[in-house]
Amino acid sequence: QSALTQPASVSGSPGQSITFSCTGTSSDVGGYNYVSWYQQRPGKAPKLLIFDVTNRPSGVSNRFSGSKSGNTASLTISGLQAEDEADYYCSSYTSITTLVFGGGTKLTVL
Amino acid sequence: QLQLQESGPGLVKPSETLSLICSVSGDSITYKTYYWGWIRQPPGKGLEWIGSMYYSGITYYNPSLKSRVTISVDTSKNQFSLKLSSVTAADTAVYYCATSTLGNFDAYDIWGQGTMVTVSS
Repeated sequence: QSALTQPASVSGSPGQSITFSCTGTSSDVGGYNYVSWYQQRPGKAPKLLIFDVTNRPSGVSNRFSGSKSGNTASLTISGLQAEDEADYYCSSYTSITTLVFGGGTKLTVL
Repeated sequence: QLQLQESGPGLVKPSETLSLICSVSGDSITYKTYYWGWIRQPPGKGLEWIGSMYYSGITYYNPSLKSRVTISVDTSKNQFSLKLSSVTAADTAVYYCATSTLGNFDAYDIWGQGTMVTVSS
């Protein structure tokens, strides 16, 4: 199975909104509403931000939102803060009952 | 609050079997309709799903690792484990155990802190 495609890096200024993309195929992202997003700070375990494309687990800020169009899922962070600087990973359920991650996007807050 | 903690050797020789345990605290693992999984991250690289087990005992594995991986649960010890055979340097990574208390195959909301495993002679 091939990893989902994410841009290597994005940057933004405090207060801005920023969107991460995650591109797969009709056998994963496009075929199911089972896309999740994780935030990972250096040396820490990943933290679940979004599941099932748009849902936020309890305790996750509503500044984080998810969406999907075709084979591409997106994570948007509104009101960017310095503490948002981290790596962000998407994942998707696949047609062969496996899980595939994206390569990750490094967010730099300017 | 459910907590996970990985344990096992930090150094494994090439061709040997990597064995890790994930100890679950804060609640019983029994009868929980959760997915229990293992994910790894090579140094400086991204996340890779290794495999998952549903509470019923059904297992799902990454096709690229399937021939070498076994995930099992020991309810009497409230833990689940990972075995990866015939390891090479490419298996050097931080290994995380995680669980989906949401009952979703794809969404792991509780993670262990991770344990670094180096494959070297």
